[in-house]
Amino acid sequence: SQQGEEDPQALSIQEGENATMNCSYKTSINNLQWYRQNSGRGLVHLILIRSNEREKHSGRLRVTLDTSKKSSSLLITASRAADTASYFCATPIHGSSNTGKLIFGQGTTLQVKP
Amino acid sequence: EAQVTQNPRYLITVTGKKLTVTCSQNMNHEYMSWYRQDPGLGLRQIYYSMNVEVTDKGDVPEGYKVSRKEKRNFPLILESPSPNQTSLYFCASSRILKTGILETQYFGPGTRLLVL
Repeated sequence: SQQGEEDPQALSIQEGENATMNCSYKTSINNLQWYRQNSGRGLVHLILIRSNEREKHSGRLRVTLDTSKKSSSLLITASRAADTASYFCATPIHGSSNTGKLIFGQGTTLQVKP
Repeated sequence: EAQVTQNPRYLITVTGKKLTVTCSQNMNHEYMSWYRQDPGLGLRQIYYSMNVEVTDKGDVPEGYKVSRKEKRNFPLILESPSPNQTSLYFCASSRILKTGILETQYFGPGTRLLVL
């Protein structure tokens, strides 16, 4: 099963609204990474949050991490049509036998309508 | 400019004809990895490399080979491609902290492969 699972799978909002995406994971982590992908293109890194951090901001992005619940959320405030993309969370597997493995969730497809 | 490059970007081939997709990074990253992306299945890791001459299997390694003879290059080899390897492939690289933890992945633009 997936280490990272995003929720919802798809989200459609109006420009100016906020978008929240959630990611759950199963094992212990050192960090959790969020990426964005425009259709058919490569993934672009958005934010990395470490396991000892609870919240991180970057421009209109806010990421939270709750290690007790094994979950993270990505909030995009004041969304724009250009934010339309798929968003993925990814977690490096923690543990010496699996170091180097990175598990991606299935992603949330965000559509921002003008 | 820091980047990961992949070639070719698009490839149509036939079953059984060996092919290689190249990947190169200019950031002196220790870690490199290959992923495939399929509708409904997300990104799945094929192989990864923690350093030169060190490679390991990801979640879906069957039908693929890799090599890491130089730090900057990490080619993906399909010895005998089959139609179920039709997919969008991404190469990525990152640095590894002294603790062994992976940091931010930098992705290439992708290679779209069609195996007939």
